[in-house]
Amino acid sequence: AQSVAQPEDQVNVAEGNPLTVKCTYSVSGNPYLFWYVQYPNRGLQFLLKYITGDNLVKGSYGFEAESNKSQTSFHLKKPSALVSDSALYFCAVRDRAGNMLTFGGGTRLMVKP
Amino acid sequence: ETGVTQTPRHLVMGMTNKKSLKCEQHLGHNAMYWYKQSAKKPLELMFVYSLEERVENNSVPSRFSPECPNSSHLFLHLHTLQPEDSALYLCASSQYSGTNTGELFFGEGSRLTVL
Repeated sequence: AQSVAQPEDQVNVAEGNPLTVKCTYSVSGNPYLFWYVQYPNRGLQFLLKYITGDNLVKGSYGFEAESNKSQTSFHLKKPSALVSDSALYFCAVRDRAGNMLTFGGGTRLMVKP
Repeated sequence: ETGVTQTPRHLVMGMTNKKSLKCEQHLGHNAMYWYKQSAKKPLELMFVYSLEERVENNSVPSRFSPECPNSSHLFLHLHTLQPEDSALYLCASSQYSGTNTGELFFGEGSRLTVL
């Protein structure tokens, strides 16, 4: 069975500082990996995905994520946080056998001025 | 037109009412989903339709009844709900196949309050 863990319920960062939102997973094989963002009272928006190849993938709004197969992690990063990045972030995985996307519990990112 | 449109955005209903949530996707996808998002719980997958056939039903109470008349439209019929059913209901679509990466595209959600 697939599972995704986001160990931090909330991450607090000062504006201009780098940010990291953590994600680890348990899936057989080489899964597809995703990050989504949810702003208040909105649906989830796709940020980025990892399919294969280069471990570092770049996505929307200056975000990037690094796939680490040995640690089965897919942490979301941004070099310089903005107050407008404050939102709920979800990591998700899907194996290559066609199973459903599995979401983590979400991490709330608070960026303070 | 945005990719996935949900109506209404907000709904308040009594426990004895019958109402429906509507979702429409303009992305040409062949799969549609209903998720429930509560304040303290992660995203809960409720139903999945692929090619207009229900392929997943995650032990959802019968007071929630989905309907998928075609690949672009999805409904969630609600009747005799409980206050604990108050939540944000999210619709999503994707291109469902074994070889596709399968990312989901979400609507803005319908905020349901059951009194």
